[in-house]
Amino acid sequence: DAKTTQPTSMDCAEGRAANLPCNHSTISGNEYVYWYRQIHSQGPQYIIHGLKNNETNEMASLIITEDRKSSTLILPHATLRDTAVYYCIVRGSIDSGYALNFGKGTSLLVTP
Amino acid sequence: DTAVSQTPKYLVTQMGNDKSIKCEQNLGHDTMYWYKQDSKKFLKIMFSYNNKELIINETVPNRFSPKSPDKAHLNLHINSLELGDSAVYFCASSQGYGVGQPQHFGDGTRLSIL
Repeated sequence: DAKTTQPTSMDCAEGRAANLPCNHSTISGNEYVYWYRQIHSQGPQYIIHGLKNNETNEMASLIITEDRKSSTLILPHATLRDTAVYYCIVRGSIDSGYALNFGKGTSLLVTP
Repeated sequence: DTAVSQTPKYLVTQMGNDKSIKCEQNLGHDTMYWYKQDSKKFLKIMFSYNNKELIINETVPNRFSPKSPDKAHLNLHINSLELGDSAVYFCASSQGYGVGQPQHFGDGTRLSIL
């Protein structure tokens, strides 16, 4: 699976959009980009995933660049409850049984 | 209505003991996983089962033995517990193990070895 690079930490003011970047320059054509988050003391929570096109659901939007080498997760109106570690994961290897390879993620702090 | 539930939530035991962690999902999924999150917070896959068949075993010591009595359950039995087994263990499930299938996680079992 392709590696991902994310900033270690970010801050965002409550009510503003949180834009979390992720680089995955070695991504291959059949690999998806997934985003999960882990709120303290809870299990990882699925947010969104995409292959080529931008995606939006009730939680967030995912913007994938045309060359697919990077993506951005957008939380449109961050709340204090969005404080968590956000993981960008590229997934696609049948050798791994399609398991999720979690990196260090971005620790997002939403402030009042 | 908890989708993926693990029991117990906390497990404190002594070195050398044998213990089990249970996982159940009510999502109708046919693929289940066990992950381990160590003290440095890295989450790593341990096992994956699809329709009760093992599809991933990530070089986990054979003291760890998963058991899937049916598609809705994947239990983890650990023999001869060691200090290094202290971690948070997460169960997850997905509808198949294809790349387009998101995984849903339980809230973890915090295992502490004295």
